[in-house]
Amino acid sequence: QKEVEQDPGPLSVPEGAIVSLNCTYSNSAFQYFMWYRQYSRKGPELLMYTYSSGNKEDGRFTAQVDKSSKYISLFIRDSQPSDSATYLCAMSEVRPGNEKLTFGTGTRLTIIP
Amino acid sequence: GAVVSQHPSRVICKSGTSVKIECRSLDFQATTMFWYRQFPKQSLMLMATSNEGSKATYEQGVEKDKFLINHASLTLSTLTVTSAHPEDSSFYICSAGLAGPDTQYFGPGTRLTVL
Repeated sequence: QKEVEQDPGPLSVPEGAIVSLNCTYSNSAFQYFMWYRQYSRKGPELLMYTYSSGNKEDGRFTAQVDKSSKYISLFIRDSQPSDSATYLCAMSEVRPGNEKLTFGTGTRLTIIP
Repeated sequence: GAVVSQHPSRVICKSGTSVKIECRSLDFQATTMFWYRQFPKQSLMLMATSNEGSKATYEQGVEKDKFLINHASLTLSTLTVTSAHPEDSSFYICSAGLAGPDTQYFGPGTRLTVL
């Protein structure tokens, strides 16, 4: 069993829809959770960063962490074609600045105009 | 956000040659940098952790003599693929740790093609 599971998709939704992306994990020691967006042939771009359980909102993006269920989510409201990318969840046990991250496999998302 | 650059963005080389990839943190100092490789439609695989002024820590299964990492300053780490072969063709990405927001920022990646 992988430490972090993420549905690889692909996921296609119409423009304006709400998108829900999820990851589950097995290591209860993970405390720091991140979502990265990666466009084709580009490096990952940090979208959201949360610590422990709870919600965090930034514009059209909302990250949720449920440590009791070992489940994290990223919601995208009013999805746009420019949101089409691969979304990677990542997590770490300690502060991630100087520690290796454990990544999910990524979900390929396409927003259909 | 913090900016990390990589050079070159793309390189094509002949089998048996060595290729050097640079990773720079442009507007911050990074005591730790990470090197990943990514195959098409797959996630990032950590190759090694690079600390300024010390030897890199390689992940299991990564040949340290093949993938030479040097972290000579707080803003520069280099990955040298020695005696490259076609199976080394991949997308190589670095990241740098930032202590303030305490997370990692990724470079744009380098696509290596070995003929």
